[in-house]
Amino acid sequence: EAQVTQNPRYLITVTGKKLTVTCSQNMNHEYMSWYRQDPGLGLRQIYYSMNVEVTDKGDVPEGYKVSRKEKRNFPLILESPSPNQTSLYFCASTVSPGHYGYTFGSGTRLTVV
Amino acid sequence: KQEVTQIPAALSVPEGENLVLNCSFTDSAIYNLQWFRQDPGKGLTSLLLIQSSQREQTSGRLNASLDKSSGRSTLYIAASQPGDSATYLCAASGPSGYSTLTFGKGTMLLVSP
Repeated sequence: EAQVTQNPRYLITVTGKKLTVTCSQNMNHEYMSWYRQDPGLGLRQIYYSMNVEVTDKGDVPEGYKVSRKEKRNFPLILESPSPNQTSLYFCASTVSPGHYGYTFGSGTRLTVV
Repeated sequence: KQEVTQIPAALSVPEGENLVLNCSFTDSAIYNLQWFRQDPGKGLTSLLLIQSSQREQTSGRLNASLDKSSGRSTLYIAASQPGDSATYLCAASGPSGYSTLTFGKGTMLLVSP
């Protein structure tokens, strides 16, 4: 089954403790992206990647890092999480942005205390 | 910067009604417009994608239209069912690079039996 898999689904952590949210797709998509969803603010793009070793900032990149060493994986790294990063995170991929639809993962609900 | 607005924010209808969800965008230089469905606590499911050169797309009881010149898209749901209850999101791809996807805040739909 074609899908985007995120792990973990739920995560509670403490301020300052580094964490990684993994994202993997099995569709050989070149483009992958991370979003966060917050009440009243909607979905906002954090980072995206056009291909292996090619990443760029979205609208809200502060406090996040990403890497794209393999085509299928696009992990989101929070080196020093803060409470304002408590949010619902989604990973998405597509063959070609602007021309094809996106496939989204099921989401990771992160709470930073 | 592209801005996407969805009206209404919430909608409650009895089962069987036909309904229209609205989406407007400020910059008409989009590559495509997508409609998604989000169930509580779940990820996004792609419903319909309309390329900038198209006027509408249909899938089952769903029909999405696009009017680039006026910056509007509508999602028409025929013969609504309780299972249609969800939040519906529209997202515009572009214009600042086809790698950007700007989301509206969604319309929360409740279909009562």
